[in-house]
Amino acid sequence: TQLLEQSPQFLSIQEGENLTVYCNSSSVFSSLQWYRQEPGEGPVLLVTVVTGGEVKKLKRLTFQFGDARKDSSLHITAAQPGDTGLYLCAGVLRSYGKLTFGQGTILTVHP
Amino acid sequence: NAGVTQTPKFRVLKTGQSMTLLCAQDMNHEYMYWYRQDPGMGLRLIHYSVGEGTTAKGEVPDGYNVSRLKKQNFLLGLESAAPSQTSVYFCASSPHGRGGSYNEQFFGPGTRLTVL
Repeated sequence: TQLLEQSPQFLSIQEGENLTVYCNSSSVFSSLQWYRQEPGEGPVLLVTVVTGGEVKKLKRLTFQFGDARKDSSLHITAAQPGDTGLYLCAGVLRSYGKLTFGQGTILTVHP
Repeated sequence: NAGVTQTPKFRVLKTGQSMTLLCAQDMNHEYMYWYRQDPGMGLRLIHYSVGEGTTAKGEVPDGYNVSRLKKQNFLLGLESAAPSQTSVYFCASSPHGRGGSYNEQFFGPGTRLTVL
């Protein structure tokens, strides 16, 4: 059983479309991070959210941390082929202190 | 700065063989981690270290051992490889890892291991 459930697991869209990836849990997290991973490489941090209700924007990417700090979302506006990759959410449980990763969302953006 | 480097990039083992994966970081980070990545399961923590000379078990430690003799290096050993250990292994480091605060982890490029 995954502590962090990501949905959808696969997403295939056309260039210019919008999309949202969800990261849900029944546990409360001290902080939550989103990483992006390209084939043959390690994950790279996109953003960290710490406060419940926090919204952060990174160009066309918008990240939101749920009010109760149990969930998060990543919204991409006008997706481009360069957005293709594996998106991973990862949270820090106060009791565990280490990052726990979701299973990831594979995004493919077709030209 | 090279960041986090891993050696080797690819390896094929036969069941029962042993090997060591080497991770090196040049960012003077205190914390280092070893993860394995399997399809549909994200990254799972194998072992980690909070400083030179220390190691601790993660989520899936069985069948692996680690050592952190120098601050910049973190070694992952497989004493008797099994097909279930076929995976992509990632090393990561972070300045700190205290719970309750965010800690960006910097990842290496990974080692693809196949056990036949």
